[in-house]
Amino acid sequence: GAVVSQHPSWVICKSGTSVKIECRSLDFQATTMFWYRQFPKQSLMLMATSNEGSKATYEQGVEKDKFLINHASLTLSTLTVTSAHPEDSSFYICSARTGVDTQYFGPGTRLTVL
Amino acid sequence: GNSVTQMEGPVTLSEEAFLTINCTYTATGYPSLFWYVQYPGEGLQLLLKATKADDKGSNKGFEATYRKETTSFHLEKGSVQVSDSAVYFCALIRGRGQNFVFGPGTRLSVLP
Repeated sequence: GAVVSQHPSWVICKSGTSVKIECRSLDFQATTMFWYRQFPKQSLMLMATSNEGSKATYEQGVEKDKFLINHASLTLSTLTVTSAHPEDSSFYICSARTGVDTQYFGPGTRLTVL
Repeated sequence: GNSVTQMEGPVTLSEEAFLTINCTYTATGYPSLFWYVQYPGEGLQLLLKATKADDKGSNKGFEATYRKETTSFHLEKGSVQVSDSAVYFCALIRGRGQNFVFGPGTRLSVLP
């Protein structure tokens, strides 16, 4: 099946710094990618839909100025957590859509903000 | 709105036991239904899916039947293995351009 990678797989940063997470589709092109957040022992919550060449669509309650999304190519979307705080610590997962009901998920990035 | 409800976990079973994880959904129209599995430290992987009523999805010994009359998509496996230990997510997608809606997940632990 299609492969989606994320980098880094885990990151620890100091409060107030910014962190960039990359999501790549390795063997296919994806015009649409999604970013999810998963709290411990909870389900995935959709944060935003990333469309290649256009602005991301954010879900209600997600701060677009804090979670910057860039989808500059058909194989790469990035999520930048700006001025990170401990409450931003979470597991961030991206996915890439290849069909109407088909998404492939990345392995996730665990962010810890000290 | 659309939502997915799953049985609360964790579920702990002995190897070769029968597994059922209940899933019910609320959605308008005719959603497609999915089960995803998340192994420790990994992302989600599609386990099986069904796109219309009475369809049965199956994979790796797991199966689930799309029951529109009861709005359910229960996951079953006749004989679980230790390697099946993971978190299982039921999900739906309502149609073209729509996003996935995930249930809360059910953690399964299989003991040898």
